[in-house]
Amino acid sequence: NAGVMQNPRHLVRRRGQEARLRCSPVKGHSHVYWYRQLPEEGLKFMVYLQKENIIDESGMPKERFSAEFPKEGPSILRIQQVVRGDSAAYFCASSPPAGEETQYFGPGTRLLVL
Amino acid sequence: GDSVTQMEGPVTLSEEAFLTINCTYTATGYPSLFWYVQYPGEGLQLLLKATKADDKGSNKGFEATYRKETTSFHLEKGSVQVSDSAVYFCALSNFGNEKLTFGTGTRLTIIP
Repeated sequence: NAGVMQNPRHLVRRRGQEARLRCSPVKGHSHVYWYRQLPEEGLKFMVYLQKENIIDESGMPKERFSAEFPKEGPSILRIQQVVRGDSAAYFCASSPPAGEETQYFGPGTRLLVL
Repeated sequence: GDSVTQMEGPVTLSEEAFLTINCTYTATGYPSLFWYVQYPGEGLQLLLKATKADDKGSNKGFEATYRKETTSFHLEKGSVQVSDSAVYFCALSNFGNEKLTFGTGTRLTIIP
């Protein structure tokens, strides 16, 4: 069974460009979470989605960041007009429908903004 | 809000030494508690978990006991190996199947 897949693994963008990060959850998992890890820090929750719905986006910056988890296809975290402070590792996690608390993490996308 | 306070690192130990990484939490209700491990350049892997008071999670020689009276979930291992070198994160989730709140992580280095 494939685990959580994220791509790209590394992404370099110049200031002002857009970054699109993709996450394919474990097959059968309907809950997706995005976390951001700044250098030498712990992970910070950004957003929690179920298929076609945003459940909790309390950790998302109000501007430039958006996330979706469509009925078909991967979850996308989109960062518009990136700035150097967006440089971080972005991790996606997934979990099954209610009843299983464990989240399974992907390998992360390391974003570098020049 | 919920929070996790974790032992500051880095921690350096010799092979076969005893390991303790302290973790305390603040949360409403009855959270579930987790330890995750992150090897260099990789994502997080679940190491162990406990879902209610006095539960002991264990895996790969690591153990942690959910202590509600001291709001703690300290990670222990009796004899560490070089391959245990990684960053360890304590985390909690509340109300089930929702966001994880992480500690800042403890970098562990084991020297031969």
